[in-house]
Amino acid sequence: DAKTTQPNSMESNEEEPVHLPCNHSTISGTDYIHWYRQLPSQGPEYVIHGLTSNVNNRMASLAIAEDRKSSTLILHRATLRDAAVYYCILRGLNSGGSNYKLTFGKGTLLTVNP
Amino acid sequence: DAGVTQSPTHLIKTRGQQVTLRCSPISGHKSVSWYQQVLGQGPQFIFQYYEKEERGRGNFPDRFSARQFPNYSSELNVNALLLGDSALYLCASSPGALNQPQHFGDGTRLSIL
Repeated sequence: DAKTTQPNSMESNEEEPVHLPCNHSTISGTDYIHWYRQLPSQGPEYVIHGLTSNVNNRMASLAIAEDRKSSTLILHRATLRDAAVYYCILRGLNSGGSNYKLTFGKGTLLTVNP
Repeated sequence: DAGVTQSPTHLIKTRGQQVTLRCSPISGHKSVSWYQQVLGQGPQFIFQYYEKEERGRGNFPDRFSARQFPNYSSELNVNALLLGDSALYLCASSPGALNQPQHFGDGTRLSIL
């Protein structure tokens, strides 16, 4: 499985934007970039995913570098409820390989200060 | 709509016992996956089932088994429990087997004494 690298922890202030980085230098052409987050005492929650173009949804934005070797999850206005572990995961397009599963690393622990 | 539901929420067992964990997927979802999350680590993939067939298996011993029923619910069985099996067991469902977002339940906390 292609690996991702994320900072162990980050800190933000409430109502400020947060940029969570992820490096994936060995990404293949068919790998999608997925982001999940896990709030305390809950299961992981899907946030967003993309392939090449930047993506937006109601939760966040995903900015993908032109060479696709890195990406950034953007929370536009952090709230206390956004405090969680954020996981950046690569998933292949084809039916073989790692497509059917999510390979989690340790993720980034985001702390939001009031 | 109801999300993924898992039962029980907490369970205490002793070494050598057997345990069965249950998962009901989101209505309309045909794929169920199981993950184990040890404290301080990210979830680790155990199994995926789609249309009642095993489609993927992670690096877990044969003591771990699972099945999916005609209504797409699923059970995870663990035999001969070890202390190291203490973990949060997560179930996730998705509409199909391939590259689609997975929706997780809040897990079953299994403690082995």
